[in-house]
Amino acid sequence: AQSVTQLGSHVSVSEGALVLLRCNYSSSVPPYLFWYVQYPNQGLQLLLKYTTGATLVKGINGFEAEFKKSETSFHLTKPSAHMSDAAEYFCAVSYIGGSQGNLIFGKGTKLSVKP
Amino acid sequence: SQTIHQWPATLVQPVGSPLSLECTVEGTSNPNLYWYRQAAGRGLQLLFYSVGIGQISSEVPQNLSASRPQDRQFILSSKKLLLSDSGFYLCAWSVTSAYEQYFGPGTRLTVT
Repeated sequence: AQSVTQLGSHVSVSEGALVLLRCNYSSSVPPYLFWYVQYPNQGLQLLLKYTTGATLVKGINGFEAEFKKSETSFHLTKPSAHMSDAAEYFCAVSYIGGSQGNLIFGKGTKLSVKP
Repeated sequence: SQTIHQWPATLVQPVGSPLSLECTVEGTSNPNLYWYRQAAGRGLQLLFYSVGIGQISSEVPQNLSASRPQDRQFILSSKKLLLSDSGFYLCAWSVTSAYEQYFGPGTRLTVT
């Protein structure tokens, strides 16, 4: 069965510091991978996605993620945190041939940014 | 471009009262549609999904139901709300099942 694990339910960084949010997945077939961001009382917004091709994908707001098949990981990074990055981040996985509702989400990581 | 709407934005309902939440999508045809719930500290729970008019799949048995009366309209209902139904309800759409989903702004439901 497919699953997603996000290490760390809360991550705190200082403004200007590196942001690293970890995501590992379990999949027996090639996955599609996604990162979403959710600000308080809002819906989820797609940050970036990996389907095929280049394993380093760039998204909005300066975020990027790298698909590492050997490590079954898709960690999200940003070189320099900004106060506006404070939000909850969700990693998700899906795959061709799965059930129609098969976007599987991790439990989320809340990012705090200290001034 | 595609847009997804949800209403109401917030709702406070007493236990035992009915519920109707509506979601509509603009700018696309025959989307897959989804209802999720976020309870405090419990992540995203998929409740229902639909691949076409009148086609509903339930992921979690409960006192909620969903309907899709039109191609781009998805409704979440309950005949009698429970306290445990409180949460943040999100509607989403996708082109196909494997690809990214796009979320609406959500409805905050408080059952008192």
